Amino acid sequence: GESVGLHLPTLSVQEGDNSIINCAYSNSASDYFIWYKQESGKGPQFIIDIRSNMDKRQGQRVTVLLNKTVKHLSLQIAATQPGDSAVYFCAENPPDDYKLSFGAGTTVTVRA
Amino acid sequence: GAGVSQSPSNKVTEKGKDVELRCDPISGHTALYWYRQSLGQGLEFLIYFQGNSAPDKSGLPSDRFSAERTGGSVSTLTIQRTQQEDSAVYLCASSPTGVTYGYTFGSGTRLTVV
Repeated sequence: GESVGLHLPTLSVQEGDNSIINCAYSNSASDYFIWYKQESGKGPQFIIDIRSNMDKRQGQRVTVLLNKTVKHLSLQIAATQPGDSAVYFCAENPPDDYKLSFGAGTTVTVRA
Repeated sequence: GAGVSQSPSNKVTEKGKDVELRCDPISGHTALYWYRQSLGQGLEFLIYFQGNSAPDKSGLPSDRFSAERTGGSVSTLTIQRTQQEDSAVYLCASSPTGVTYGYTFGSGTRLTVV
């Protein structure tokens, strides 16, 4: 699989490989995190979320990892498919805040 | 409705004109958010509504921007005297009570100021 240690704006992945998308969040007090997927011409779509009392959460083909020590969030996509090509955003929510703050986004391109 | 509906999906306007963007949230969702997404950029928070009230308008870029929500449902974002830097996709999102389980976004309105 392919992964990036630091946040990079683009990621090119071979179909069938695993992908890892990284995100550094800004507020150490944030206690709720979400990954969104945005396809061209559409609004962001919820993929998976995690709360700060967890380190890992799994969904269908996706896993989110949270490292609070270094304020790092990652999204792993297993067996990447062409339909996974999109821009992926992480979002954080500090306690007592009513809104999500979004990261810069990573554009994932799946090669056939 | 089944999802968040935004209209129009595309809007081209001349510099200096006023525009209104509409958002129809999911029925029963009390929280409504507006974000702006410039080309290739992330999502910039504009304003949040809880019911018909906007507790925080600090994300609005200038006094040319205003928003209202009526009946705890439909919201309108108005941009007066549009400028070229206002060109962006304007996204609306709603949720049942706030951030607790994330938002549902609409498909956005792509605004182009020429």
